[in-house]
Amino acid sequence: GNSVTQMEGPVTLSEEAFLTINCTYTATGYPSLFWYVQYPGEGLQLLLKATKADDKGSNKGFEATYRKETTSFHLEKGSVQVSDSAVYFCASNTGNQFYFGTGTSLTVIP
Amino acid sequence: EPEVTQTPSHQVTQMGQEVILRCVPISNHLYFYWYRQILGQKVEFLVSFYNNEISEKSEIFDDQFSVERPDGSNFTLKIRSTKLEDSAMYFCAQWGIQGYTFGSGTRLTVV
Repeated sequence: GNSVTQMEGPVTLSEEAFLTINCTYTATGYPSLFWYVQYPGEGLQLLLKATKADDKGSNKGFEATYRKETTSFHLEKGSVQVSDSAVYFCASNTGNQFYFGTGTSLTVIP
Repeated sequence: EPEVTQTPSHQVTQMGQEVILRCVPISNHLYFYWYRQILGQKVEFLVSFYNNEISEKSEIFDDQFSVERPDGSNFTLKIRSTKLEDSAMYFCAQWGIQGYTFGSGTRLTVV
């Protein structure tokens, strides 16, 4: 079946630290992969996506590479800011619906 | 990326009451979805809707729930006789030529 597993939180980092949030997936077929971000009190916002193996999605300094061999889509950012504090969701999509991870809460402290 | 508007943004209702959540359609978007996020938990698929019919639904989507899009207007999720455990954030999503877009959500609180 389809599922997404992501790193448990919460994660607390100092400003300018390096961020990695791990995400792995299981899927029937070849899913598209996504990272969504949810700021406090707001909805889901698409952060980045990749639609096929070896694609790299990037946005606002965040990156994730679709690794078919390890079925992973880890999120990284070289230098986090306080404004990056949010909940991050990894998700897969193979057509008719999304499968979300449990979310990882990130808090960046000055 | 186009925005998906949901109304209301927050609703408080008494247990046992019916609620209707609304999602404004984006032009040329054909597929509609509802997802639910109970506080602190993962976002869960409820139902997908295409051509005025349910195309897929999860185990969560029982007889208490219904969806419709009358006359091409707003896409709605109706919850009959709400329970305390229905308290959650409900997200509408739409898919069309511009891709997949999530709404800002409706926070439902059942008291």
